[in-house]
Amino acid sequence: KQEVTQIPAALSVPEGENLVLNCSFTDSAIYNLQWFRQDPGKGLTSLLLIQSSQREQTSGRLNASLDKSSGRSTLYIAASQPGDSATYLCAVSTVETSGSRLTFGEGTQLTVNP
Amino acid sequence: GAVVSQHPSRVICKSGTSVKIECRSLDFQATTMFWYRQFPKQSLMLMATSNEGSKATYEQGVEKDKFLINHASLTLSTLTVTSAHPEDSSFYICSANDRGNEQFFGPGTRLTVL
Repeated sequence: KQEVTQIPAALSVPEGENLVLNCSFTDSAIYNLQWFRQDPGKGLTSLLLIQSSQREQTSGRLNASLDKSSGRSTLYIAASQPGDSATYLCAVSTVETSGSRLTFGEGTQLTVNP
Repeated sequence: GAVVSQHPSRVICKSGTSVKIECRSLDFQATTMFWYRQFPKQSLMLMATSNEGSKATYEQGVEKDKFLINHASLTLSTLTVTSAHPEDSSFYICSANDRGNEQFFGPGTRLTVL
């Protein structure tokens, strides 16, 4: 059974800092890995999707890496801003007969202080 | 990008009533839709996988007679919480698979049972 772990559970940084969020998964037979952002009481916003054959993806100030063999991914946020404050969720996808299945980590709650 | 809608976004009901939540893929056909539940400060937990034209597959511990899922068309899946009780109060989120096996998430439905 796939298990996804995110470290740290919570992180508070001053504005402008670069930061790294970590995600690890137990079964390396994944189809892809996604990073999501969730604001309080809201749904999920997809940030980056990395296919299993890829090593990283970049979007603006965000960079996500994937090391499938070691079961790890990192989300790097450059020059953090107060608007980046949210919960960041990592999810890995496996393909089953019913379609893809996502397993989520518990999330990292990020607070960027002005 | 692919858009998934949910209706209603928020519902408050009395204990013992049934509540129906709709999930629609607006600009693509989804053969598979997923229903998740999220309790406060916790991650998303998969409840069931819904395939168009067939019975839903429920995760262990999810009562199929309590959470009725109907996936009658390629763009609509419904989740009915029957005889809802306060412990069913939660945030319910659906997602839909496109042909690339990427999941797109709805904005969620906040259910409060009094």
